[in-house]
Amino acid sequence: SQTIHQWPATLVQPVGSPLSLECTVEGTSNPNLYWYRQAAGRGLQLLFYSVGIGQISSEVPQNLSASRPQDRQFILSSKKLLLSDSGFYLCAGLKETGPEEAFFGQGTRLTVV
Amino acid sequence: RKEVEQDPGPFNVPEGATVAFNCTYSNSASQSFFWYRQDCRKEPKLLMSVYSSGNEDGRFTAQLNRASQYISLLIRDSKLSDSATYLCVVNSGYSTLTFGKGTMLLVSP
Repeated sequence: SQTIHQWPATLVQPVGSPLSLECTVEGTSNPNLYWYRQAAGRGLQLLFYSVGIGQISSEVPQNLSASRPQDRQFILSSKKLLLSDSGFYLCAGLKETGPEEAFFGQGTRLTVV
Repeated sequence: RKEVEQDPGPFNVPEGATVAFNCTYSNSASQSFFWYRQDCRKEPKLLMSVYSSGNEDGRFTAQLNRASQYISLLIRDSKLSDSATYLCVVNSGYSTLTFGKGTMLLVSP
């Protein structure tokens, strides 16, 4: 089965510090991968998606960036965090078979202080 | 117009009640539709896909109306464990899923 491992589960970082969130995928090859952010009381906002190694599309301009160094690895980064970067970050992939439903990692709750 | 719109709720219903959620989408070329369930501070999980002919899974029924561009979810005989946020999700092409902001359901004893 297709699964996503995402870590850490929770993170508290000071303003101005760097960020690196990583997710890895198992059970599939060349998946489409996504980073979403969910702010408190708000919906899921698509940040980045990738259809393959080195291919990143950005949906929202911000101080975040993403990279896909390997087929099954997707990384979300920031050089300097802002208070507004706090939220619940979810890595997701699309299932290969059947209707294109998404499967998610367990998420990282980031608090910028 | 937002791509996927849902009433945020909350919908407060007693156990055993029937409750329905609607969701509208703006892209008429959308191909795939889903309902996800998200529990507090957890990742979303697929509840059911939505097919043109409508589909049912136990107490849950999903309907799609392409002409009016809306999707519905009906929950019968609500359980306490149904309390969650229900997300309407649309695949508008290019393998990009767009999520609604969710509708919160609270089922009380």
